[in-house]
Amino acid sequence: LAKTTQPISMDSYEGQEVNITCSHNNIATNDYITWYQQFPSQGPRFIIQGYKTKVTNEVASLFIPADRKSSTLSLPRVSLSDTAVYYCLVGRHGSSNTGKLIFGQGTTLQVKP
Amino acid sequence: GAGVSQSPSNKVTEKGKDVELRCDPISGHTALYWYRQSLGQGLEFLIYFQGNSAPDKSGLPSDRFSAERTGGSVSTLTIQRTQQEDSAVYLCASSLDGPNTGELFFGEGSRLTVL
Repeated sequence: LAKTTQPISMDSYEGQEVNITCSHNNIATNDYITWYQQFPSQGPRFIIQGYKTKVTNEVASLFIPADRKSSTLSLPRVSLSDTAVYYCLVGRHGSSNTGKLIFGQGTTLQVKP
Repeated sequence: GAGVSQSPSNKVTEKGKDVELRCDPISGHTALYWYRQSLGQGLEFLIYFQGNSAPDKSGLPSDRFSAERTGGSVSTLTIQRTQQEDSAVYLCASSLDGPNTGELFFGEGSRLTVL
């Protein structure tokens, strides 16, 4: 199972772009990278998933370099409501796996006015 | 229902009692997951079901914990002889296919407090 490392916390201000980087040095060939967001007293919510290069949706962008040993979640123009914990997961597509998706400690993003 | 439903939302029990937590996944989702989240901590994987089978039970903290899933739908997490360290939010998630193939949809969790 690929282990992930993220910063414990980050601070930002409203309107700024926030980039959260996740390291996953032992990512396997058919592993995908997924990011989740969690607000207090709620379950995590899917943000974005990718395999390589760049993925963009209405919420965020995900940048994955060619070696795939890291990934960066980019949140454009954050607002106070983006204050949450962000988790990076690395998981394997395919039939032979046990479903043990490890969330880790996540990155607590605090957006200030 | 539209999302993953968990019950009870809150449970306060006395040390030594047994508790059952229920998860009703999104209809048609074959994979179901249980996680535990202690206050201020990340998510701890407990167990995963593909259909009614649990390929990996190694995440269960002790033999006081057990889980089952019937009919490929509802799952129950049972904690016997609860201890204070079992106090946490227990989160259930489901996904359309097997693991690692896409989005996990989480419920709101069941908050367990053991006095």
